[in-house]
Amino acid sequence: KAGVTQTPRYLIKTRGQQVTLSCSPISGHRSVSWYQQTPGQGLQFLFEYFSETQRNKGNFPGRFSGRQFSNSRSEMNVSTLELGDSALYLCASSLPRTGGEGSPLHFGNGTRLTVT
Amino acid sequence: GESVGLHLPTLSVQEGDNSIINCAYSNSASDYFIWYKQESGKGPQFIIDIRSNMDKRQGQRVTVLLNKTVKHLSLQIAATQPGDSAVYFCAEPYSGAGSYQLTFGKGTKLSVIP
Repeated sequence: KAGVTQTPRYLIKTRGQQVTLSCSPISGHRSVSWYQQTPGQGLQFLFEYFSETQRNKGNFPGRFSGRQFSNSRSEMNVSTLELGDSALYLCASSLPRTGGEGSPLHFGNGTRLTVT
Repeated sequence: GESVGLHLPTLSVQEGDNSIINCAYSNSASDYFIWYKQESGKGPQFIIDIRSNMDKRQGQRVTVLLNKTVKHLSLQIAATQPGDSAVYFCAEPYSGAGSYQLTFGKGTKLSVIP
């Protein structure tokens, strides 16, 4: 079974621009989450989607948004990029579930975003 | 969710020795924990998990121990190999408001000396 696929792997953008990152979850996984990873802050939760609905969002500004499609694929968008948005953005998927019964997230290899 | 932290940021071990990576958690209500391995240039990879009704769980060359009394868990890697060099994270799920997210520790970098 194919793992979580994220595209592109690398992006270089300029301050003020916007960017869209894409994620294809493992087949059958309906929950998709996004995390930001930086050396200073570690792994931080951005948001989670289930059945095309955002169920929760982390402590990030409104410039960070996302969506999920009917096939469970997800995109996240960052508008008006800032230097501090440079990070590894990770997507993770998990089995269909309505609550935290306990199941691991499966991560993709991320998109490395550099803002100059 | 509450924070999950690690005791040591770096760990160097000789190839063939056993490695022990520690993690402290603060939420006494947590009932599930996960260990991830992250190699350079890759995303976190699931290693092993444990539920709070267990004290120990074994996988292939890895063992996770859970001590609920002191809110501590550890990951033991037997016969450490160069391919085990990576950053290891413990993670604790937070499932408020019908959602599901993980809170990660800062990570421990394991370096294996050939």
